[in-house]
Amino acid sequence: NAGVTQTPKFQVLKTGQSMTLQCAQDMNHEYMSWYRQDPGMGLRLIHYSVGAGITDQGEVPNGYNVSRSTTEDFPLRLLSAAPSQTSVYFCASSNDRAPYEQYFGPGTRLTVT
Amino acid sequence: GDSVTQMEGPVTLSEEAFLTINCTYTATGYPSLFWYVQYPGEGLQLLLKATKADDKGSNKGFEATYRKETTSFHLEKGSVQVSDSAVYFCALSTSGAGSYQLTFGKGTKLSVIP
Repeated sequence: NAGVTQTPKFQVLKTGQSMTLQCAQDMNHEYMSWYRQDPGMGLRLIHYSVGAGITDQGEVPNGYNVSRSTTEDFPLRLLSAAPSQTSVYFCASSNDRAPYEQYFGPGTRLTVT
Repeated sequence: GDSVTQMEGPVTLSEEAFLTINCTYTATGYPSLFWYVQYPGEGLQLLLKATKADDKGSNKGFEATYRKETTSFHLEKGSVQVSDSAVYFCALSTSGAGSYQLTFGKGTKLSVIP
């Protein structure tokens, strides 16, 4: 199993540009989520999904969109990048038997200039 | 709302020293408690967990006991190694309306020197 994979590992955007961060898991997990990690802030939940076709907002959803058309994939879209979105983004997944035991991807480091 | 407070880092220890990282929480109901570890350049990994009061989670020589009376879940290890250098996050489960959200502390960076 590859586990949770994320692409790209690094990305630099200019203010106003859009992009999609990719996340995929091969463990047939129902639950997937996106977090951002900022220095001194821990991890904060952006969006989550409890299954294909079902998504909802987390703590800091503004400026981000998600969709879940398959169990495996959960892309995160930045609509119009802002410097405040400079962060490290982690995707995580878990199954419904142990939803809080989350498996994390290696992260995407995003810089918005 | 729910919150987790961890001791400020960074923490620097010599190899074989005793480690304690303090974690206290505020939550409604009866959350599960977790310690996650992040090695340099990697995502977080679950280190240990406890699901009810007085449970002790343990893994790789690390231990933490769920203390409801003091709302604490302190991480301990008797003898740290250089390979334990990482950032450690305390977290609790936050449930509600189908969200399986983890609420994280800010993380404590541990450096172990030979």
